[in-house]
Order: sequence, then C-alpha cells, then structure tokens
Amino acid sequence: DTEVTQTPKHLVMGMTNKKSLKCEQHMGHRAMYWYKQKAKKPPELMFVYSYEKLSINESVPSRFSPECPNSSLLNLHLHALQPEDSALYLCASSRGLAGGLNTGELFFGEGSRLTVL
Amino acid sequence: DAKTTQPTSMDCAEGRAANLPCNHSTISGNEYVYWYRQIHSQGPQYIIHGLKNNETNEMASLIITEDRKSSTLILPHATLRDTAVYYCIVRVVDSWGKFQFGAGTQVVVTP
Repeated sequence: DTEVTQTPKHLVMGMTNKKSLKCEQHMGHRAMYWYKQKAKKPPELMFVYSYEKLSINESVPSRFSPECPNSSLLNLHLHALQPEDSALYLCASSRGLAGGLNTGELFFGEGSRLTVL
Repeated sequence: DAKTTQPTSMDCAEGRAANLPCNHSTISGNEYVYWYRQIHSQGPQYIIHGLKNNETNEMASLIITEDRKSSTLILPHATLRDTAVYYCIVRVVDSWGKFQFGAGTQVVVTP
C-alpha cells in the first residue's frame, strides 16, 4: 500500500462551523505533513509531525489545529475559519529522515478542497 | 534549506525530450535535490531525487552539475499527460521537515 488517503475530498463550511480533515497512511511512515495550496500557487507547509509529535508549526493561525492520534493518522481540526482559508489542503507522509537508505521523499494524498462561506 | 529558481513556463512538443532547468546556487553539501510534479488539482507526485550523481528512473533523468549549483530534469519522450507544474526542491539530509516548494515551472506538452 503506497497511498495517502485524505477525506473528505470536498468540504463546504460556514465561518462558525467546526469540521475536521483526515489523512491516513499505512506505509509505516513516521513523518506526516499538512500543506495548504491556494489556486495557481505552490503548496505551503503548515505543520510537520515526526513520531507523532509536532515538530514544525509554520506560524499557522490557531483556528487550524493539527492532531496526530497515532502513527497512521493525521487530522486537521478547523474552527472559525475565514473565506480566505478556502484552499486545497494536502497531506503527505515520509519514511523519516532523509539519508542512508532513506530517500526522504514525501508521498502526497490527493487533497481535501475546502470552501469557507 | 537552499532556495531554487525555475523558469515560469515551458512548452514542449509531444514525443520530444523536455529539459527542465533548476538553479540552486546556495545548495549545501548535505542537501538533496528532489523533483515533483503536480497535475491540475491532484496531489504532487514524486519524480526523482539525487545528491551528487546523475540519476535515472522509469519516469525521468536528473542531471546535477559538478558544483551542484544547478540541475536539469529530463523527460525523454514527453506525452500530453506530462503537462503539469514541475517543482524542484532542495532538502537537508537527516532533516524532518521544511520540504518547501518554490514557484515551479508550468510545462505544457502540445501535439
């Protein structure tokens, strides 16, 4: 299994709603990532988890709350979002540190397209 | 991590080789060069990576200059399905994060 699965594929929410995006991988990877991608822009790193601990937070607003309940799952909890948060949210995983036999490449899911009304 | 510079766009004729350049003049000795592509509205797809030596796989070839300050991704026989944004990324070996995308090159393969 070489897939990163993201659900839902599409999500529409109001500014007062609370919703979550989910990401799952069964490749035994120990690093997982959230990216945000606006139209015609490259993906922007939001969070990195390594061994289920948050290792990088790229100054993301607190209305985005990541969670890594176990090594296979990564959630992104959404609350009080703004219309400008509408974007494609990408999850990725990697085996771990790049070096030696680890090639360090990231495997991406197909993304969750979020629309905030 | 070092910054990368790529042309904004390139056109390529179907069946011809596509040569995509990337400048990473500030690369350090412990940084890999990775190439990804993103077809419209899909997740980025890994293509190839290298440290010092040239690399080839079933998708592409990667040529890294001897001083490692630039690289070229070669798609040997471009098809219409190769139309995508191609990203060149450098990343520190033994590093957990900061896998940062630059602006990328929009490649359009035409019949």
